[in-house]
Amino acid sequence: EVQLVESGGDLVQPGGSLRLSCAASGFTFNIYTMSWVRQAPGKGLEWVSYIGSSSGDVSYADSLKGRLTISRDNARNSVYLQMNSLRPDDTAVYYCARELGGYFFDIWGQGTLVTVSS
Amino acid sequence: EIVLTQSPATLSLSPGERATLSCRASQSVSSSLAWYQQKPGQAPRLLIYDASNRATGIPARFSGSGSGTDFTLTISGLEPEDFAVYYCQQRSNWSFGQGTKVEIK
Repeated sequence: EVQLVESGGDLVQPGGSLRLSCAASGFTFNIYTMSWVRQAPGKGLEWVSYIGSSSGDVSYADSLKGRLTISRDNARNSVYLQMNSLRPDDTAVYYCARELGGYFFDIWGQGTLVTVSS
Repeated sequence: EIVLTQSPATLSLSPGERATLSCRASQSVSSSLAWYQQKPGQAPRLLIYDASNRATGIPARFSGSGSGTDFTLTISGLEPEDFAVYYCQQRSNWSFGQGTKVEIK
């Protein structure tokens, strides 16, 4: 079964850091671009970051640049999102997603909740 | 930066009715537009990509059309499980529209 499973979400204080993980299974992970998409409570979807199949190509949403680092370990079929200097408006469910066609997402994880609050 | 605007914000319909959802881009996105369905507490599900191609396993009652700046998602005959929020998304900066909620009238 093709699957993405996120982990690492937690309650963190403003200014803190968090590392999210996404474990893939059921497909050849190392040939796909992977992305993170987030959704604040009661709000819409916001693309956060992507990483190409061999890690050489990464991109971040302008609003989050400088505070995020995306990485992957193809040997472990995993993608990661390091988030620093977290703010209350970073509170959201963070989804890992497989990208196809250069832009759309055909497989999504169940999401992991990040709450930034004192 | 390309902005996607979806309309209406909410669509109130009865099961069996036809739903027509609109997504307008601030600049041309050619045919690089996708549609997703999201139910409460669930991850989004890909419905349509490249404006008119149904994703694997998506019922034929879902169809997409349009190119350039104007796109439409049509659900021909709403089933109870179709009441959800629908988002469009484009290639340029992977951005999403704000969503259309299809609710039971």
